[in-house]
This record gives sequence, C-alpha cells and structure tokens, in this order.
Amino acid sequence: EVQLAESGGGLVQPGGSLRLSCAASGFTFRNAWMSWFRRAPGKGLEWVANLNGDGSETYYLNSVKGRFTVFRDNAENSLYLEMNSLRAEDSAVYFCARDLPGVKSTFDYWGQGTLVTVSS
Amino acid sequence: QSALTQPASVSGSPGQSITISCTGSSSDVGANDYVSWYQQHPDEAPKLMVYEVNNRPSGVSSRFSGSKSGNTASLTISGLQADDEADYYCASHRRGVLEVFGGGTKLTVL
Repeated sequence: EVQLAESGGGLVQPGGSLRLSCAASGFTFRNAWMSWFRRAPGKGLEWVANLNGDGSETYYLNSVKGRFTVFRDNAENSLYLEMNSLRAEDSAVYFCARDLPGVKSTFDYWGQGTLVTVSS
Repeated sequence: QSALTQPASVSGSPGQSITISCTGSSSDVGANDYVSWYQQHPDEAPKLMVYEVNNRPSGVSSRFSGSKSGNTASLTISGLQADDEADYYCASHRRGVLEVFGGGTKLTVL
C-alpha cells in the first residue's frame, strides 16, 4: 500500500526557515517523480515544486523560486522541502504527492499534509 | 485568484447528477489532455478521481466521469451519494508554469 506522511510543519516567524519531510512507502521511491503542494486558508490547492527520481531535475512555482528547495534521499525513501525567507503568504497546509507514473501532471497518492504558519 | 476557474459551490440531492466546470485557457486546459480532478474531504488527503480528461484510476466509481470542450473541462457525478460531499479541484498542465489548479468547488449533497 502506497503511503505518504508529511512532517515538520509548525509556527515560524516571517523571514524564518523550516524543513518539511515526506516519508514514502509502498512503492519504488527512487523511480518516482514527487511533488509538493499547498492549500492556504480559504484558498485552493497550489502546486509548489517537483523533482524527478534521482533529484537531478527540479521545478518551482515562481513565487517560491530562490527561497524553497526540493530534494530527496532515495536511500531513506524521503522527500524534503527546505523553506527559507518565509512570508505570511506561505502559510498553508503542505502536501507531498506522487506523480502518476507515465502520465504528466497527474498525482495519484497524497499525504495528509502538515500545517505551516508564518506569523510574528 | 486561481489559474483555473471553478464555481465556488454546487449542490444536488441524492441520486441526482451534477456537473462541475473548470475553465482555463488555450495555454492549459485547451492545450492538452492533461486535465485531472481531485476530491478532498475535510482534513483528508486529496484523492485522484479522473485524469487525462476522462480516465478513472482503479477503484474510483464509474459514477465519476470527465469531459472537455475547448478551454473548459467538466466533472460529472451521477447518482449522488452523501459521501460525495467534498471539495473538488481541477488541475491542468500549463506551458511554462507546469501545474495549475482551480480554486475548488464545494459540493453539498442536500
């Protein structure tokens, strides 16, 4: 059974940093494209970043470029999102998801999410 | 403001059918068949319901179907059930941006 579990969320001050983790199991992690999404209070889902199986290709939402870094540890079956220079507008529940193999722009398994609150 | 436009809410009675629209542009919905739909119950993970416009993942009920015409995609749910009450999001691939979503539609089963 495919499982994804995020952790690492919390309360952080504007300008601060946070690292989110996503523990994966039930599939061959090193072969999977993985993505991060977020859902801000009262707003819809938003794609944040993704990367390929070996981590050599990464893509980001324009508003997080230069501040967020997505990376993975295939030996640990884990995905990460390093978030720096956090802003109030980054406050959201963050989800990790697996890209459906062989199908572009489709995400077949998601975690439950971890809440990030940026506030002083 | 989300990249794709969905109605904020729709409602229907058990057994009825409803359709949720998702309007984009010639750069996303109208440009390819990478349109997907997700269901999200409160405090739960999103669930993939339809992908590539009209394909259903294994385990998703045939009551859920998708279609597309021009820059607008649609999700139809037939034979509404109480458990269908949830938020629904459409998503599409957009050239140069990668993934864009709609703002979500809250489905209420009356």
